[in-house]
Amino acid sequence: EAGVVQSPRYKIIEKKQPVAFWCNPISGHNTLYWYRQNLGQGPELLIRYENEEAVDDSQLPKDRFSAERLKGVDSTLKIQPAELGDSAVYLCASSARTPEAFFGQGTRLTVV
Amino acid sequence: DQQVKQNSPSLSVQEGRISILNCDYTNSMFDYFLWYKKYPAEGPTFLISISSIKDKNEDGRFTVFLNKSAKHLSLHIVPSQPGDSAVYFCAASGVYGGSQGNLIFGKGTKLSVKP
Repeated sequence: EAGVVQSPRYKIIEKKQPVAFWCNPISGHNTLYWYRQNLGQGPELLIRYENEEAVDDSQLPKDRFSAERLKGVDSTLKIQPAELGDSAVYLCASSARTPEAFFGQGTRLTVV
Repeated sequence: DQQVKQNSPSLSVQEGRISILNCDYTNSMFDYFLWYKKYPAEGPTFLISISSIKDKNEDGRFTVFLNKSAKHLSLHIVPSQPGDSAVYFCAASGVYGGSQGNLIFGKGTKLSVKP
């Protein structure tokens, strides 16, 4: 069974530029999460989807971040415009109505 | 305010010995706890979990102990192997209305197992 797939693995952009991350969850997993992990910290939730509905986006900085999960499968997380402080690893995870979430390899974003 | 705390940033253990990683939490609404292992440049990998109705869960070399009254859990690895060297994250979840809540992570403990 394929795991959670994320792309790209690495991204370097200049500040004020837009960037997008893509995630394909494990087949059959209704719940999809986007987490952000800063250096030396644990992952922090940005948004959680149940199917195509965003059920918790309270930690998503909505002035510059947006996310979508069309058809309740793949998801895209976008930042526009990016700031230096957005440099981090962006992790996507999915789960099948259990607390155990399975993570992708992440996208390491560097904003210069 | 951190709800899940891993107070030891690092731990070094000799191969073959026991590794004990600790985690404390503050929110009494948490009722499910998980441990993840993370290698460099990879995403966290689920290791083992425990429900609050239990005080112990074992899977091979890994055992998680939960002390609800102390709001404390620990992960024991016996025997430790060099391949166990990684960052270990403790995470907690609360079940709301029958569906799983969000995972709240600690900052991690870097385990080094020396041959």
